[in-house]
Amino acid sequence: GENVEQHPSTLSVQEGDSAVIKCTYSDSASNYFPWYKQELGKRPQLIIDIRSNVGEKKDQRIAVTLNKTAKHFSLHITETQPEDSAVYFCALSGGSGGYNKLIFGAGTRLAVHP
Amino acid sequence: DTAVSQTPKYLVTQMGNDKSIKCEQNLGHDTMYWYKQDSKKFLKIMFSYNNKELIINETVPNRFSPKSPDKAHLNLHINSLELGDSAVYFCASSGFSPGELFFGEGSRLTVL
Repeated sequence: GENVEQHPSTLSVQEGDSAVIKCTYSDSASNYFPWYKQELGKRPQLIIDIRSNVGEKKDQRIAVTLNKTAKHFSLHITETQPEDSAVYFCALSGGSGGYNKLIFGAGTRLAVHP
Repeated sequence: DTAVSQTPKYLVTQMGNDKSIKCEQNLGHDTMYWYKQDSKKFLKIMFSYNNKELIINETVPNRFSPKSPDKAHLNLHINSLELGDSAVYFCASSGFSPGELFFGEGSRLTVL
């Protein structure tokens, strides 16, 4: 079945530095890879997603890269700001669980220090 | 004008009780979900309905029973609550699959 591993579980950076979070998966049929941000006490919200026919996608300071051969995808945040502090979840769907079943990674707690 | 709303936001109850959480979405989406987020923040899918039909039922104890009276509503009823049921329960909806999940604010259930 589908499984996604996310690393690191915690990440601490200085304001202005870059942050990278990586997820690996096992089901090669997975074809949709979103990233969600969850601020403390709030709901998860989509920040960027990528589909399997694309290798990279960028939106201002955030980017996602996908390596289908190696079965991993990564979130890159540049010029981090204190408001980027949150828990970030990778997710995937489209494998054996079907399109409707979004499987989440365990989350990365990012702390950006001023 | 909240897109996905769920009530109540907080529930505190004793073991063995029964409780319900209600969810409504005004986005016109066909698919709705229940996710459970435990104390370690792990988000796990429980159920999914598409246009009132159950399409995903993960290995959830049958004490949990979802009900979808129409495609805009998905409620969750939990019987005989146990300590391990304490978590935040998120309702969500999506307009197409695969696509963005719109989450409600969450309902924090505490079982004493």
